[in-house]
Amino acid sequence: RKEVEQDPGPFNVPEGATVAFNCTYSNSASQSFFWYRQDCRKEPKLLMSVYSSGNEDGRFTAQLNRASQYISLLIRDSKLSDSATYLCVVFNSGGSNYKLTFGKGTLLTVNP
Amino acid sequence: DTAVSQTPKYLVTQMGNDKSIKCEQNLGHDTMYWYKQDSKKFLKIMFSYNNKELIINETVPNRFSPKSPDKAHLNLHINSLELGDSAVYFCASSQELASADTQYFGPGTRLTVL
Repeated sequence: RKEVEQDPGPFNVPEGATVAFNCTYSNSASQSFFWYRQDCRKEPKLLMSVYSSGNEDGRFTAQLNRASQYISLLIRDSKLSDSATYLCVVFNSGGSNYKLTFGKGTLLTVNP
Repeated sequence: DTAVSQTPKYLVTQMGNDKSIKCEQNLGHDTMYWYKQDSKKFLKIMFSYNNKELIINETVPNRFSPKSPDKAHLNLHINSLELGDSAVYFCASSQELASADTQYFGPGTRLTVL
């Protein structure tokens, strides 16, 4: 099982749609969770952290279920500018081996 | 006022050559990283350095040698380039190693080995 698995996508949605991405992780000891966003031919940038209680940032809502080892991202009222690849990211530490592990990403295209 | 910068942005070279990529961060961070993003867009960590000390080497071939002259710089030298080395290489930095701080990525270096 891959360390971080995401919906393969791609997702094509019209402006204004609500879209949800799912992600699962294999290491039950994983400590922190994030969604990063990567625009075409650009670097990844942090979109938001994911907390156990769930958290919201404007149109974006992230959820974490530690028991199921499952993370989600919901985007409401999609905008054209939301078109990007969304990367599910997990932080692990083993000894001094602290690192982020990235999922393969889910490509979202929002159409006019 | 770029936070994490890399040079060059594009690198096209022949198999067997040796090349270097430079990275600098002006954020005052303690930790720097190199990632490789292959043609399938899979982003994977290669190395991490904390206060100039190597922390992670993710089974990267010996042909790849990172060097950190100071906390603000982490360069990557690649010997005897192979076709499979073609990828986008991202440098990143974060405040600390152990606290899952936000990582800030450079713009990437697109390496093509012919």
